Amino acid sequence: DIQMTQSPASLSASLGETVSIECLASEDIYNNLAWYQQKPGKSPQLLIYYASSLQDGVPSRFSGSGSGTQYSLKINSLESEDAATYFCLQDSEYPPTFGAGTKLELK
Amino acid sequence: QVQLRESGPGLVQPSETLSLTCTVSGFSLTSYGVNWVRQPPGKCLEWMGVIWGDGSTAYNSLLKSRLSISRDTSKSQVFLKMNSLQTEDTAIYFCARDRGSSGFDYWGQGVMVTVSS
Repeated sequence: DIQMTQSPASLSASLGETVSIECLASEDIYNNLAWYQQKPGKSPQLLIYYASSLQDGVPSRFSGSGSGTQYSLKINSLESEDAATYFCLQDSEYPPTFGAGTKLELK
Repeated sequence: QVQLRESGPGLVQPSETLSLTCTVSGFSLTSYGVNWVRQPPGKCLEWMGVIWGDGSTAYNSLLKSRLSISRDTSKSQVFLKMNSLQTEDTAIYFCARDRGSSGFDYWGQGVMVTVSS
């Protein structure tokens, strides 16, 4: 199975700042990577698919990049509603596997 | 409007069988796959399996011997059955629609299942 190593595990940032979250795959996943936001008690919301494509309705301050084994999610101009856990998902190869998640706290 | 909703028992006895239903609306089960994903408390999400639009299935090899996914297209429902439950199967269980490529685009709210006597 492809292992997804996500970092950091937690992150604290201020309103208006920019943050990045990384996912490292154990092998090439050919951009088959999605990013999700999950708030407590809620279902995951798709932010980015194919590594860099923005899901409809997602604010443009979210962006994804990367290739091969290294991928990142960038959030510009943090807003209070961005406090959540973020995780990545690869489905280049079955079984699909998830990163362990990054908890983003707003100061 | 695409929606998925999981339902099932909140408490299951060890060694018994878990039966969950995912009721969908806003799309056809013959056009999209539906995945089951679970999240044990404090742990990472784990993909369990999928039933594709053509009715074929794929399972996580770690669960394959215990897991079955089926559907009733007339009722827009997908079913998960997993036998020989143990305490380690305690988790929130989600169903999620497959985009067909790169990711799952809509998820249900999840149902918490506790395995305990």
